[in-house]
Parts: sequence; structure tokens; C-alpha cells
Amino acid sequence: DIQMTQSPSTLSASVGDRVTITCRASQSISRWLAWYQQKPGRAPKVLIYKASSLQTGVPSRFSGSGSETEFTLTISSLQPDDSATYYCQQYHNYPNTFGQGTMLEIK
Amino acid sequence: EVQLVESGGGLVQPGGSLRLSCAASGFNAGGNYMTWVRQAPGKGLEWVSVLYTTGSAIIADSVKGRFTISRDISKNTLYLQMDSLRVEDTATYYCARSSSGWFDLWGQGTLVTVSS
Repeated sequence: DIQMTQSPSTLSASVGDRVTITCRASQSISRWLAWYQQKPGRAPKVLIYKASSLQTGVPSRFSGSGSETEFTLTISSLQPDDSATYYCQQYHNYPNTFGQGTMLEIK
Repeated sequence: EVQLVESGGGLVQPGGSLRLSCAASGFNAGGNYMTWVRQAPGKGLEWVSVLYTTGSAIIADSVKGRFTISRDISKNTLYLQMDSLRVEDTATYYCARSSSGWFDLWGQGTLVTVSS
């Protein structure tokens, strides 16, 4: 199985900050990577697919980059509503696997 | 409205069975890959199973031989039959629509608690 490792596990930042979360795959997954946002008690919501494609309706302050084994999710200007846990997911093969999550707190 | 609604969760004893349902509306579930993902309390996301449009399926090793994914096309509903349940199967179970690999539509989740 492909292992997905996110860093950091927790992050605290202020409104307006630029925030970056990293996801590393244990082997090449090309660009078959998605990012999700999950708020407590809610289902995950896709933000980015195919490493850098913004899902319809997602604010443009979210962006993704990377390929092969290293990927990043960037929030260009942090907003209070961005407080959540973020997960990466590889869909290069089955079983699909997720990173362990990054909990983002707004200071 | 395009949505997925799960049901069937609850409290069950170890070794017991449950069948989860995921009713799709606003789109044809049979024309999409449909997936179950679970999340143990306070933990991360774990992929469980996928049902292809052809009706064939792949299932995670952690539940292989115990869980079965299926669908009823006439009801536009996805199922997860869970047998020989273990304490470690306790989780919120989500169904999701797979759009070329990523999950673009999720249900609200249904909680399964395995405990004596």
C-alpha cells in the first residue's frame, strides 16, 4: 500500500497568513492526489484534485502543487472559516490511502 | 438535489452484523464508482471499498472476508454488509461518489459502534 505522510500534524496561524501543508507519498503517484477539508462533525469536502485543480465552488485562496511524491496545499490568506482538519488522498491505485491529517487552528 | 444519505448504523455486539445503506438522489449512482470510507472516533480517514460501474468491487484487506459492497440499481442505493464485526470497526461510515478517483460528493455519515 502507498503510505501518505502529512506535515505538520497541527498548525496554528493568524488570519491573513499564508499557510502550507505538505503531503509525501511513499512511491510515485504522478499527480493523482486530492486534498480535503473536514470540520468537526461534518463529512470531508474536496478542495483540490489532480494535485492542482480547484474544485468548483472552492475559494481561490486554496491552491495545490506537486507531482510524483511531494505535494503541497497552500492557503494564500487564511480566513476564520478555514479552521479545520486537512487530508491528502492518493488515488493512483487501490487501496486509496489518506494522510493522517493536519489540524489547522486560527490564532 | 444531488445528495447521498446513509442509514443503518447503530450499536452492535462483537461478532454481529449490520447493513449500511446509502441512498443517492439527483444522479445515477450506478453510472459512477461508489465508495465507502470510514473514520474511527478522533482518527483519520480510511478507505474501505469501491464498487465499479460494472458491479465488480475492491475491498480493503482490513475488512476482506467480512464486509461486502453491493447496490440496488432500481433503488439507486449502495450497501455495505458488515459481518463478524470487531471493536476496531467502530467508526462513522461515509459513502462517497468517486469522480475519476477523488471523492466529489459525500454523505453525512452513519455511526457504527461495536461494543459488548
